[in-house]
Amino acid sequence: SQQGEEDPQALSIQEGENATMNCSYKTSINNLQWYRQNSGRGLVHLILIRSNEREKHSGRLRVTLDTSKKSSSLLITASRAADTASYFCATDVTGGFKTIFGAGTRLFVKA
Amino acid sequence: NAGVTQTPKFRVLKTGQSMTLLCAQDMNHEYMYWYRQDPGMGLRLIHYSVGEGTTAKGEVPDGYNVSRLKKQNFLLGLESAAPSQTSVYFCASSYLGRGGKGETQYFGPGTRLLVL
Repeated sequence: SQQGEEDPQALSIQEGENATMNCSYKTSINNLQWYRQNSGRGLVHLILIRSNEREKHSGRLRVTLDTSKKSSSLLITASRAADTASYFCATDVTGGFKTIFGAGTRLFVKA
Repeated sequence: NAGVTQTPKFRVLKTGQSMTLLCAQDMNHEYMYWYRQDPGMGLRLIHYSVGEGTTAKGEVPDGYNVSRLKKQNFLLGLESAAPSQTSVYFCASSYLGRGGKGETQYFGPGTRLLVL
């Protein structure tokens, strides 16, 4: 199974609502990142949280990290139709050179 | 800055044909990566490079070769294409972060490859 696994696999909400996506991982990490991918495009980096941080904000994004539970969450507040995309967590494993991506959460925001 | 560019955007191959995908970045990044993305899956790392003249295997390297002769370019080669290599290929690059490892990755727009 993958190092990073997102939950849920798909999420459909109304514009203005908050969207929460979760990511679980298995091994010790240096940092955890969240990326967004619009249909047919490459991934775009959203936010990076280091293993010694618990929470980070960027605009309408809030990311939490719980290293004891090996999990992270991404909250998008006041969602917009333009937030419709797939969201991936990526873990930078301790002692490794590679970043491992999860399978993603597909978010659909209805106008 | 153009960021990360990939050539070509789309290609159709017949089984057994060869091709090279080109990735170029103008951000002076040390690290470069090739991923493949299949429906319903995340990205899987094929090969990566931590600097000019170096390459290393990722999760799914079989059937692919790479070269990094110049810092700004990372080439992915398929010597004998197979239908299982039908996928979307993404190149990415990153700067050196803490501990001398790559961090935030910048992605190209992708190459869609169909092998018949």
